[in-house]
Amino acid sequence: DAGITQSPRHKVTETGTPVTLRCHQTENHRYMYWYRQDPGHGLRLIHYSYGVKDTDKGEVSDGYSVSRSKTEDFLLTLESATSSQTSVYFCAISDPGSYNEQFFGPGTRLTVL
Amino acid sequence: GNSVTQMEGPVTLSEEAFLTINCTYTATGYPSLFWYVQYPGEGLQLLLKATKADDKGSNKGFEATYRKETTSFHLEKGSVQVSDSAVYFCALAANFGNEKLTFGTGTRLTIIP
Repeated sequence: DAGITQSPRHKVTETGTPVTLRCHQTENHRYMYWYRQDPGHGLRLIHYSYGVKDTDKGEVSDGYSVSRSKTEDFLLTLESATSSQTSVYFCAISDPGSYNEQFFGPGTRLTVL
Repeated sequence: GNSVTQMEGPVTLSEEAFLTINCTYTATGYPSLFWYVQYPGEGLQLLLKATKADDKGSNKGFEATYRKETTSFHLEKGSVQVSDSAVYFCALAANFGNEKLTFGTGTRLTIIP
């Protein structure tokens, strides 16, 4: 299995509070991604990174920000959590030239009350 | 834009039945195509892939053939087992070097003994 961990694995928070989710990889892959998974929507890309300090928006980036100061860590921040951000969040990694094969972390279940 | 349409679920089959999960896509150029599987409580794992027309991906008894003329990548297995119960996602990457994946909404498969 690819070495990808996510923390925390479960979190319950209240509307309006800031939340940071962490993705850590030991594979030295260049690309990292954050997705959210919701019933009826499959996986939707929030943000992605193609290198340290290089990030870009995905299709559902509103309300989220990311940072990548080291190759191995990719942080997802909800500046002010809302109930619509209740979801399961997955991190993924890939390397150039791999035909876009992505490896996924175990996920973080976030509940915003 | 790019899109993936998957067979609606849930799908329930008896053990040893034949499985087909339909997937069609819309994309410019020559996409790579993937099937991912998600077991309960876990992240997604790559099941198989095909990177050009007429390629057949296969793994764990599952197969899918990249059909450019019908823009399809249907997943098949000749004899399913209870352990195949999972959610299956079809995905595409539009162009080589474009590292983003577009996912279908997923199909939940349950196999009963």
